[in-house]
Amino acid sequence: KAGVTQTPRYLIKTRGQQVTLSCSPISGHRSVSWYQQTPGQGLQFLFEYFSETQRNKGNFPGRFSGRQFSNSRSEMNVSTLELGDSALYLCASSLGAGEAFFGQGTRLTVV
Amino acid sequence: AQSVAQPEDQVNVAEGNPLTVKCTYSVSGNPYLFWYVQYPNRGLQFLLKYITGDNLVKGSYGFEAEFNKSQTSFHLKKPSALVSDSALYFCAVRDYEGAQKLVFGQGTRLTINP
Repeated sequence: KAGVTQTPRYLIKTRGQQVTLSCSPISGHRSVSWYQQTPGQGLQFLFEYFSETQRNKGNFPGRFSGRQFSNSRSEMNVSTLELGDSALYLCASSLGAGEAFFGQGTRLTVV
Repeated sequence: AQSVAQPEDQVNVAEGNPLTVKCTYSVSGNPYLFWYVQYPNRGLQFLLKYITGDNLVKGSYGFEAEFNKSQTSFHLKKPSALVSDSALYFCAVRDYEGAQKLVFGQGTRLTINP
């Protein structure tokens, strides 16, 4: 069974640009969550989607947004990129109350 | 709010020796606890979870964890460490029952010396 797939794996963007990251969950998983990982702040929750609805949101500015499609695939968008947005962005999918399975992540570098 | 703490940033163990990575938690209600491992430039891999039941939970790759309610701890253990166990380990707690949001500890870097 295929795992969680995140694309692209690596991105380099310039300050002020916007970026879209994609996540395909494990087949059958309807819940998708996003996390930001940085050396200084560790792993921080961004948001969670279930059946195309945002169920929970972390403490991030409005520049960070996401959505989920009817096939459970999810995207997150960051507008007006700042240097501090450089991070590993991780997507996780889960089935019901089970454990979350993570993708390999997208490494975003803002220059 | 739920939280977990990993009191050690780094743990060094000789190959073949037992290892312990510590985690303490603070929750209101029943704890739903997890351990994940991260290898360089990779995502998180699930190791094991405690939802309810036996206090000793067995997981992947020979790891186990001991849930202790009185000490609010959920330490990760392995009887005999391998060099390949060297990685970053995260303890996490589900934010509340029914939620998918995980609250992570700051991580412990485990180094197994040959």
